[in-house]
Amino acid sequence: EAQVTQNPRYLITVTGKKLTVTCSQNMNHEYMSWYRQDPGLGLRQIYYSMNVEVTDKGDVPEGYKVSRKEKRNFPLILESPSPNQTSLYFCASSTSGMSEQFFGPGTRLTVL
Amino acid sequence: GQNIDQPTEMTATEGAIVQINCTYQTSGFNGLFWYQQHAGEAPTFLSYNVLDGLEEKGRFSSFLSRSKGYSYLLLKELQMKDSASYLCAVINTGGFKTIFGAGTRLFVKA
Repeated sequence: EAQVTQNPRYLITVTGKKLTVTCSQNMNHEYMSWYRQDPGLGLRQIYYSMNVEVTDKGDVPEGYKVSRKEKRNFPLILESPSPNQTSLYFCASSTSGMSEQFFGPGTRLTVL
Repeated sequence: GQNIDQPTEMTATEGAIVQINCTYQTSGFNGLFWYQQHAGEAPTFLSYNVLDGLEEKGRFSSFLSRSKGYSYLLLKELQMKDSASYLCAVINTGGFKTIFGAGTRLFVKA
């Protein structure tokens, strides 16, 4: 089944404790992206990747890191999480930057 | 700056037609997408417009006017299951950054 998977689905952590949210797609998509979704603000793009080893900042990259070493994986790293990073995070992939995006199920992160 | 505006909430009656508007001001344009998002779920693709005009897909249609920075999503023969948020998103030029509007919550009542 064609899909985008994210892990973990739910995470409660404390300020400053490094964490990684994994994202994997099995559709051989070139483009992958991370978003955060907050009430009243909608989806905001954190980082995106046009291909392996090619990443670029979205609108809200501060406090996040990404890497794209393999085509199927695009992990999101929070080196020192803070409470303002409490949010619902979505990973998405598409064949190109101009095609429909397929979203993962979301990761709900709470930073205390 | 970059901005996408949509109404926050709309209410419509089952069986009716509803139009959800989206206006945008972005640095370049490479296409406009509409996504549907049910509460607690991930967004799913509805439609894509890159040229001016109307794209029809079953009960859903989407219109784009690039000169006016305007799009709308038209939902016909509304069903209760259409109660969801509808997200307008623009792909800008160059780096293919995606900008989403805050979304429109649609309530369909019997």
